[in-house]
Amino acid sequence: QKEVEQDPGPLSVPEGAIVSLNCTYSNSAFQYFMWYRQYSRKGPELLMYTYSSGNKEDGRFTAQVDKSSKYISLFIRDSQPSDSATYLCAMSADTGRRALTFGSGTRLQVQP
Amino acid sequence: DAGVTQSPTHLIKTRGQQVTLRCSPKSGHDTVSWYQQALGQGPQFIFQYYEEEERQRGNFPDRFSGHQFPNYSSELNVNALLLGDSALYLCASSFSGTRETQYFGPGTRLLVL
Repeated sequence: QKEVEQDPGPLSVPEGAIVSLNCTYSNSAFQYFMWYRQYSRKGPELLMYTYSSGNKEDGRFTAQVDKSSKYISLFIRDSQPSDSATYLCAMSADTGRRALTFGSGTRLQVQP
Repeated sequence: DAGVTQSPTHLIKTRGQQVTLRCSPKSGHDTVSWYQQALGQGPQFIFQYYEEEERQRGNFPDRFSGHQFPNYSSELNVNALLLGDSALYLCASSFSGTRETQYFGPGTRLLVL
């Protein structure tokens, strides 16, 4: 069983929809949670970075962490065709000082 | 402010050969991590360098080795290449003095024939 599980998709939504992306994990030592966006053949780009449980909002993006359930989510409001990419969740026990453990990524397609 | 840079962008090698990939961290960062991303998978941690020493290592064989230079740039070396080493190799940098997370470069795409 992988430490981080993520539905690979693809997830196809119409433009303007609210998108929900999720990951579950098994390692209770994870304290820092990240979402990266990766366009085809590019490096991952940091979208959201949160510590412990709770919500964080940045523009159209909201990240939620529920440590009791070992479950994290990323919501994208008013989705745009430019949001079409692979979304990777990542976790760490100690921020940049330690290895990031990634999910396998969810491919999102926003149809115009 | 330059982000993380990597070279080369693409590389083709044959089985058994050796390869060296290079990374320059984001300005102000002192820690460099390397990841391997196979097609359709998330990145897998190879190792991390800080103060010119390997600080943490993932589940990769000794064929994978690295180095960090005094200017914080880093190299990843892979010996005796296998077909299964074909992947996108990502470098990520961070600053040890904060709780900041890692920022990634564009990657080097390696194809082993």
